[in-house]
Amino acid sequence: KQEVTQIPAALSVPEGENLVLNCSFTDSAIYNLQWFRQDPGKGLTSLLLIQSSQREQTSGRLNASLDKSSGRSTLYIAASQPGDSATYLCAVNQAGTALIFGKGTTLSVSS
Amino acid sequence: DGGITQSPKYLFRKEGQNVTLSCEQNLNHDAMYWYRQDPGQGLRLIYYSQIVNDFQKGDIAEGYSVSREKKESFPLTVTSAQKNPTAFYLCASTPVSRNTEAFFGQGTRLTVV
Repeated sequence: KQEVTQIPAALSVPEGENLVLNCSFTDSAIYNLQWFRQDPGKGLTSLLLIQSSQREQTSGRLNASLDKSSGRSTLYIAASQPGDSATYLCAVNQAGTALIFGKGTTLSVSS
Repeated sequence: DGGITQSPKYLFRKEGQNVTLSCEQNLNHDAMYWYRQDPGQGLRLIYYSQIVNDFQKGDIAEGYSVSREKKESFPLTVTSAQKNPTAFYLCASTPVSRNTEAFFGQGTRLTVV
């Protein structure tokens, strides 16, 4: 059974710092991997989608990488800002089921 | 604008009562999903549907029921059999091809009073 793990569970950084969030999964037979952002009490907003054949995707200050063979993905946030404070979730998409989520990393960026 | 609408935003349920959470999408997506989110637990799958009039149980389906009579709608009923229903409920949708991103509603917070 697929398991998705996110490390660390929480992270606090000063404004301007570059940071990396980690996501690992146990079964490499995935269609794609998606990173989401969730603000407190809100739904999920999609940040980046990486297909299984891709190595990375970029959107503004965000860069996500995927190493399917090792079961790992990272989300790189450049020049962090207080507005980046939120919970970040990764999810894998595979045959026979719905998206499977990690428990998330809660990020706090202080000014 | 296309998107997913969940209602109500807040819902209160008395002990022994059934309640229904609404989820409507106008994205023309084939697949729809219901997740439950508890603090520290991440998102757990309750039910999903890939086509009208068909749905599958997820990891925590006990005490819940769904229907999929229309492509746009996937309501979730929390029955009295669900012993601990207080949680944040999220609805999502994707095209059946799964090659594009999933979209989520803004959630319904259910509280037992």
